[in-house]
Amino acid sequence: KAGVTQTPRYLIKTRGQQVTLSCSPISGHRSVSWYQQTPGQGLQFLFEYFSETQRNKGNFPGRFSGRQFSNSRSEMNVSTLELGDSALYLCASSPTDKDEKLFFGSGTQLSVL
Amino acid sequence: GESVGLHLPTLSVQEGDNSIINCAYSNSASDYFIWYKQESGKGPQFIIDIRSNMDKRQGQRVTVLLNKTVKHLSLQIAATQPGDSAVYFCAETSSNDYKLSFGAGTTVTVRA
Repeated sequence: KAGVTQTPRYLIKTRGQQVTLSCSPISGHRSVSWYQQTPGQGLQFLFEYFSETQRNKGNFPGRFSGRQFSNSRSEMNVSTLELGDSALYLCASSPTDKDEKLFFGSGTQLSVL
Repeated sequence: GESVGLHLPTLSVQEGDNSIINCAYSNSASDYFIWYKQESGKGPQFIIDIRSNMDKRQGQRVTVLLNKTVKHLSLQIAATQPGDSAVYFCAETSSNDYKLSFGAGTTVTVRA
């Protein structure tokens, strides 16, 4: 069974631009979560989706948004990029609706210049 | 706010020795705990989990211990191997929280 797939693997953007990251969960998984990982802040929760509904959202500004499609694939968008948005963005999927054991992708490394 | 944290940011261990990685949590409502391993360039990989109705759980070469009285979690790795070199994170959640709260991570380096 294929794991969580995230595209692209690397991204370089400039301040003020916007970016869309994509995540395909493990087949059969309906819950998708997004986390931001930085050396200073560690792993921070962004949001979680189940059956196209956002069930929880982390403490990030409104520039960070996401959605989930009917096939469970998910995208997250960051608008008006800031230097501090440079991070590894990790997507994870879960086999249950309780969203406990997460299976992570390799992430998208975003660099904002 | 409540958070999950690890006691030590780094741990150096001799190959073949046992490793113990510690984690303290402060959310008394947490009822599910997970340990993840993250290697360079990869996402976190599930190692082992434990629910709050247990105090010990064993896997292959790994054991997780949970002490709810002092809100402490530990991961023991037996006969540490070079492939165990990575960053280890503890994470916790509670029912219907739909998110994991991660500790800061411990970098384990295995010496040959």
